[in-house]
Amino acid sequence: DIQMTQSPSSLSASVGDRVTITCRASQGIRSWLAWYQQKPGKAPKSLIYGASTLQSGVPSRFSGSGSGTDFTLTISSLQPEDFATYYCQQYHSYPYTFGQGTKLEIK
Amino acid sequence: QVQLVQSGGEVKKPGASVMVSCKASGYTFSTYGISWVRQAPGQGLEWMGWISAYNGNTNYAQKFQDRVTLTTDTSTTTAYMDLRSLRSDDTAVYYCARGRNGVVDHWGQGTLVTVSS
Repeated sequence: DIQMTQSPSSLSASVGDRVTITCRASQGIRSWLAWYQQKPGKAPKSLIYGASTLQSGVPSRFSGSGSGTDFTLTISSLQPEDFATYYCQQYHSYPYTFGQGTKLEIK
Repeated sequence: QVQLVQSGGEVKKPGASVMVSCKASGYTFSTYGISWVRQAPGQGLEWMGWISAYNGNTNYAQKFQDRVTLTTDTSTTTAYMDLRSLRSDDTAVYYCARGRNGVVDHWGQGTLVTVSS
């Protein structure tokens, strides 16, 4: 199975900050990577697929980059509604594994 | 609009089975697949498997291969996840999600399955 490792596991930031979350795959996955946002008690929300393509309706302050084994999710200017847990997931090969999550908290 | 509405929470005893349903609407059911993902309390997301609503082809995570069956009913546009031989560590919220070529875009609201004696 492909292992997905996110860093950091948690992060404190302020409204307006620029934030970057990293996801590393244990083997190359080309651009078959997605990012999700999850708020407490809610279902995940799909943000990005293909490493960098925003899902419909996702604000442009979110961006994704990378290919191969190293990927990043960037939020250019944090808004209050962005404080949540973020997960990456590879869909290069089965099983489609997730990273362990990055909890983004208010400083 | 696309909606995935899951069945309600369940409480089961160890060794029992549970079936969670996922009713899809707002799109042509057979043109997408359904993934199932679970989340134990306070834990991360875990991919369980995927089924094509077009032809019923499935892929399961090895961990669940012997205990889970995914099915779809195109006449009612509903997907089902059947998990057998339940253990306490199967206590989790189970999600269905619409997907195509691995890309998931819409999620159900989740179903809490509690396994307790």
